[in-house]
Amino acid sequence: DVKVTQSSRYLVKRTGEKVFLECVQDMDHENMFWYRQDPGLGLRLIYFSYDVKMKEKGDIPEGYSVSREKKERFSLILESASTNQTSMYLCATNPFTAGQETQYFGPGTRLLVL
Amino acid sequence: KQEVTQIPAALSVPEGENLVLNCSFTDSAIYNLQWFRQDPGKGLTSLLLIQSSQREQTSGRLNASLDKSSGRSTLYIAASQPGDSATYLCAPGSGAGSYQLTFGKGTKLSVIP
Repeated sequence: DVKVTQSSRYLVKRTGEKVFLECVQDMDHENMFWYRQDPGLGLRLIYFSYDVKMKEKGDIPEGYSVSREKKERFSLILESASTNQTSMYLCATNPFTAGQETQYFGPGTRLLVL
Repeated sequence: KQEVTQIPAALSVPEGENLVLNCSFTDSAIYNLQWFRQDPGKGLTSLLLIQSSQREQTSGRLNASLDKSSGRSTLYIAASQPGDSATYLCAPGSGAGSYQLTFGKGTKLSVIP
């Protein structure tokens, strides 16, 4: 079974802090994604990566950056956390193989910025 | 930009009933479509993946259909059970070398024992 783990289930940070959210997958998938989920807005794509050191902006990249130094690890960075970044953050992966694009999600990190 | 609508937003049914969840999308040039399930406070679990060339896909009591030209997909759940209670999300996927999903807001299903 594919396993996608996220570094924290719950996180409380203060405004202005630098926040790191980490995602690790064990299936050698090329593609990795970061989403945020908010009530009434659904899931929105922040960034994704299709290879080591490669990244592409999603729909809402402002205020975020990402890092992918190793294939299995994809980090989301909030450079200076703000209260409007309070949200559920979800990481996902899928292989870069035609016909096998099923996305596998981690359990999520619920971030509260005070 | 792809927009995805799921109707109804919430649905409550008695146990044992068959039900249909609907999904519509505005851009029919999709690569595939996925249906997910999300339990409260948890991540998403993939239920079915339908390629753009397929009409339907089945897994156990679940059957998903895809009408790409009209921008519609349905998820049929047979003989519903209380354990099916969750939010169901539909997500058409783009292709062309940059695979991305666009999610609907989901249908919250409650199956009453």
